[in-house]
Amino acid sequence: EAGVAQSPRYKIIEKRQSVAFWCNPISGHATLYWYQQILGQGPKLLIQFQNNGVVDDSQLPKDRFSAERLKGVDSTLKIQPAKLEDSAVYLCASSQNTDTQYFGPGTRLTVL
Amino acid sequence: GENVEQHPSTLSVQEGDSAVIKCTYSDSASNYFPWYKQELGKRPQLIIDIRSNVGEKKDQRIAVTLNKTAKHFSLHITETQPEDSAVYFCAANPYSSASKIIFGSGTRLSIRP
Repeated sequence: EAGVAQSPRYKIIEKRQSVAFWCNPISGHATLYWYQQILGQGPKLLIQFQNNGVVDDSQLPKDRFSAERLKGVDSTLKIQPAKLEDSAVYLCASSQNTDTQYFGPGTRLTVL
Repeated sequence: GENVEQHPSTLSVQEGDSAVIKCTYSDSASNYFPWYKQELGKRPQLIIDIRSNVGEKKDQRIAVTLNKTAKHFSLHITETQPEDSAVYFCAANPYSSASKIIFGSGTRLSIRP
């Protein structure tokens, strides 16, 4: 079974630029999560989708972050404009009808 | 909302000894407690989880215990090996969202040869 796929793996941008990350969950997993993991901290949930609907986006900085999951499969997370404090690893995870979440390899974002 | 605290932040043990990592949670309705291992530069991977209907669960050298009354749970690794070196995260689900989990701040475990 293929795991959660993410791209790109690394991205370096300057502040005020925009960036987008892509995630492809495990086939058949209805729930998709985006996390932000700052160096030395645990993952923090940004947004949770159930199929193509948003379940929880209470921690998403909506003035600069947006996410969508068209057709209930792939998802994209966008930051516009980026700030220095957005430097982190962005992890995507998916789950089926259980609590267990499976993580992708992450995208390491550096904002200069 | 749910708050998960994890201790210690760093832990160094001699190879072959045991390691214990402790977490507390705030939401008494939480019923799912996973543990993830994250090696440097890699994705978090689930190593064991426990649900509130049991007090202990074992899988080879790792075990997790849960005390619902005290709202704390612990990870125990016995006969530690060099490949156990990693950052370990505990997590708990807030009752308000059964499929959502809140992570602790992590414990960096180092195994001394």
